[in-house]
Amino acid sequence: EAGVVQSPRYKIIEKKQPVAFWCNPISGHNTLYWYRQNLGQGPELLIRYENEEAVDDSQLPKDRFSAERLKGVDSTLKIQPAELGDSAVYLCASSFPTSEEQYFGPGTRLTVT
Amino acid sequence: DAKTTQPPSMDCAEGRAANLPCNHSTISGNEYVYWYRQIHSQGPQYIIHGLKNNETNEMASLIITEDRKSSTLILPHATLRDTAVYYCIVRVGRGSQGNLIFGKGTKLSVKP
Repeated sequence: EAGVVQSPRYKIIEKKQPVAFWCNPISGHNTLYWYRQNLGQGPELLIRYENEEAVDDSQLPKDRFSAERLKGVDSTLKIQPAELGDSAVYLCASSFPTSEEQYFGPGTRLTVT
Repeated sequence: DAKTTQPPSMDCAEGRAANLPCNHSTISGNEYVYWYRQIHSQGPQYIIHGLKNNETNEMASLIITEDRKSSTLILPHATLRDTAVYYCIVRVGRGSQGNLIFGKGTKLSVKP
């Protein structure tokens, strides 16, 4: 069974440029999460989707971050414009709504120069 | 959600049991204890969870004290591949109802 797929794995951009990350969850998983992980810290939730609805986006910096999951399957997280402090690993996870276990992808490592 | 306290790092000899402690003294009656681990350059991986009874699966055992204020994750026979950061998380709700709030975790180094 394929796991959570994320692309790209690595991205280097200059500050003020836009960037997008893509996530394809495990087939059948209705719930999708985006996390940000700074160096030496644990992951922090940015947004949680149930199907195509964002049910918790309280931690998403909405001035520059946006996310979408139009058909309730794959999802895109965008930053525009990127700042130096956005350098981090962006992780996507998915689960069934009643499952105790979240399955994480390998993440996208973003470096903003 | 209740806060957890874990030692920043631990060492364990290969083949020995690794016992990772976690304090969660403010845990509420409806909060579960979860453990995840993160191997270098990978996403976190679920290990085990429990409410008040001890739990065991193919990866580990979870021992929760009777007052539920602390717990211990036990890897019975640690291997080099168990070297990772281990996160202890308490959260309300089941399934996707409650969010996972990660701390800094414990960096476990398994040495030959």
